[in-house]
Amino acid sequence: KQEVTQIPAALSVPEGENLVLNCSFTDSAIYNLQWFRQDPGKGLTSLLLIQSSQREQTSGRLNASLDKSSGRSTLYIAASQPGDSATYLCAVGKFGSSNTGKLIFGQGTTLQVKP
Amino acid sequence: NAGVTQTPKFRVLKTGQSMTLLCAQDMNHEYMYWYRQDPGMGLRLIHYSVGEGTTAKGEVPDGYNVSRLKKQNFLLGLESAAPSQTSVYFCATRSMGTKAQHFGDGTRLSIL
Repeated sequence: KQEVTQIPAALSVPEGENLVLNCSFTDSAIYNLQWFRQDPGKGLTSLLLIQSSQREQTSGRLNASLDKSSGRSTLYIAASQPGDSATYLCAVGKFGSSNTGKLIFGQGTTLQVKP
Repeated sequence: NAGVTQTPKFRVLKTGQSMTLLCAQDMNHEYMYWYRQDPGMGLRLIHYSVGEGTTAKGEVPDGYNVSRLKKQNFLLGLESAAPSQTSVYFCATRSMGTKAQHFGDGTRLSIL
């Protein structure tokens, strides 16, 4: 059974710091991996999606990497800002789920960026 | 989130009552999903649909039923609500071509 873990559960950093959020999964037979952002009381917003054949994806100050062999993904946030404060979730698409899109979610890392 | 609307946003029920949560999308997406989010548990898939008239069970389907009579709507029903179903429910959609899922803002449901 695929399990997705995000450590730490919470993180507080000063503004301007570069930071890394971690996501690990137990079964390397994945279809894709997605990183989401969730603001309090809101739904999830997709940030980056990495296909199983890819090693990384970049969007602005965000860079996500994928290492299937070690069962790990990282989300790198450069020059953090108070507006980056949110909960970040990773989700793994199971192999064979290409026609359904089913995802297995981690529990999330709550990030606070202090001015 | 533009495109995915969940109704209602908040609801309090008594044990044994029934209700239906509505998810409506205007993006013409084929796939729709219902998740529940609980503290310390992440999001878990309840039911999903790959097209109009089709539904399938997810990870935690017990106690819930769904229907997708129209492509734009996906309904989640609780026939006899239990306190264990207190949660935040999220609907998501995805088009056949893209892989990213689009989420609604959630329905916060409390069952006393």
